[in-house]
Amino acid sequence: DAKTTQPPSMDCAEGRAANLPCNHSTISGNEYVYWYRQIHSQGPQYIIHGLKNNETNEMASLIITEDRKSSTLILPHATLRDTAVYYCIVRVRGYNNNDMRFGAGTRLTVKP
Amino acid sequence: DARVTQTPRHKVTEMGQEVTMRCQPILGHNTVFWYRQTMMQGLELLAYFRNRAPLDDSGMPKDRFSAEMPDATLATLKIQPSEPRDSAVYFCASGSLGTGGNTIYFGEGSWLTVV
Repeated sequence: DAKTTQPPSMDCAEGRAANLPCNHSTISGNEYVYWYRQIHSQGPQYIIHGLKNNETNEMASLIITEDRKSSTLILPHATLRDTAVYYCIVRVRGYNNNDMRFGAGTRLTVKP
Repeated sequence: DARVTQTPRHKVTEMGQEVTMRCQPILGHNTVFWYRQTMMQGLELLAYFRNRAPLDDSGMPKDRFSAEMPDATLATLKIQPSEPRDSAVYFCASGSLGTGGNTIYFGEGSWLTVV
């Protein structure tokens, strides 16, 4: 799987948009971008995933650049409860690919 | 809400004792993962199963760790003998491959302290 690079930490003001970047310059054509987050003392939680189109769900939006070498997770109106470690993962989606390996992620702190 | 259930949630044991952690994956999921998380190493993939068959346990210390799926509703991770360096949070996760998303869902973890 392609490796990802994320900033170790970021701050965001409550109510503002949080934009979390991820670089995956060696991503291959059949690899998806997944985002998970881990709130302190809890198991990681799925947020969103995409291949090449931008995606949006009730939690966040995912913007993938046209060359797919980077992406941005957007939390449109961050709350204090969004303070967590956010993981960007790239992996092939399909029956024959099973593992999901996590890097160090970005520690997002939402401040009042 | 379907969820992955792990037991025990917390365990304190003495060095040398056997520890067994259990996981009930979400019904219908065909893939089960075991992860370990420490402050130093982050979230490490230990092993995973597909349709109850072990596919990869390369992340697991072979001499003392073992993982099994006796049936589709139970996955176990055993440490024998346990050592203080095994102190960590152990997460189980399950997913259903081939269907939309390939996302995996985590349990709340088993917090292990070996003294």
